[in-house]
Amino acid sequence: AQSVTQLDSQVPVFEEAPVELRCNYSSSVSVYLFWYVQYPNQGLQLLLKYLSGSTLVKGINGFEAEFNKSQTSFHLRKPSVHISDTAEYFCAVSQGGSEKLVFGKGTKLTVNP
Amino acid sequence: GAGVSQTPSNKVTEKGKYVELRCDPISGHTALYWYRQSLGQGPEFLIYFQGTGAADDSGLPNDRFFAVRPEGSVSTLKIQRTERGDSAVYLCASSLTGGVGETQYFGPGTRLLVL
Repeated sequence: AQSVTQLDSQVPVFEEAPVELRCNYSSSVSVYLFWYVQYPNQGLQLLLKYLSGSTLVKGINGFEAEFNKSQTSFHLRKPSVHISDTAEYFCAVSQGGSEKLVFGKGTKLTVNP
Repeated sequence: GAGVSQTPSNKVTEKGKYVELRCDPISGHTALYWYRQSLGQGPEFLIYFQGTGAADDSGLPNDRFFAVRPEGSVSTLKIQRTERGDSAVYLCASSLTGGVGETQYFGPGTRLLVL
């Protein structure tokens, strides 16, 4: 079965520092990859997704992610974070042919002043 | 436009009771999904509707869980004989056509607490 691993459950950083949130998935067959963000007391919101083509995907709020097939990774990055980026971030995958999303456990990003 | 809405936002019930959770998808979206998010976990897939029919119900944990979407719009997730382990946030999402890789838009969730 497909699985998603987010190695870091919590990531504290200072404002304006760069951040990388790691995501690895298990499947070697074709996959579609997603990053969702959940702000406090709000629903999940799509940040970006990879379907095909360029392995570097740009999303909203200055985030980007790189699909690495050989390492089965889809790490999320932002060069300079803001206080408002404090939220929980979820990596998800859908395996070719399936509409359902398989989520990781999430990474809580806390941006400190 | 209006996003996915879910009611109630919070539900407290006693063990053994029956509960219904409602989801209103984005207007015009034919695909609807239910997920469950337990504390400290990511959302877990429960069921996927394409129109009125359940296209994939492989995530329903047991026969106490049932979902319907009779007119292809609003969906209701029904839980019979609730157990304390059912306590979680139940999330609903919709997408335009249900195509693989299509963006799923999530509602705010219903927080269910079984005492």
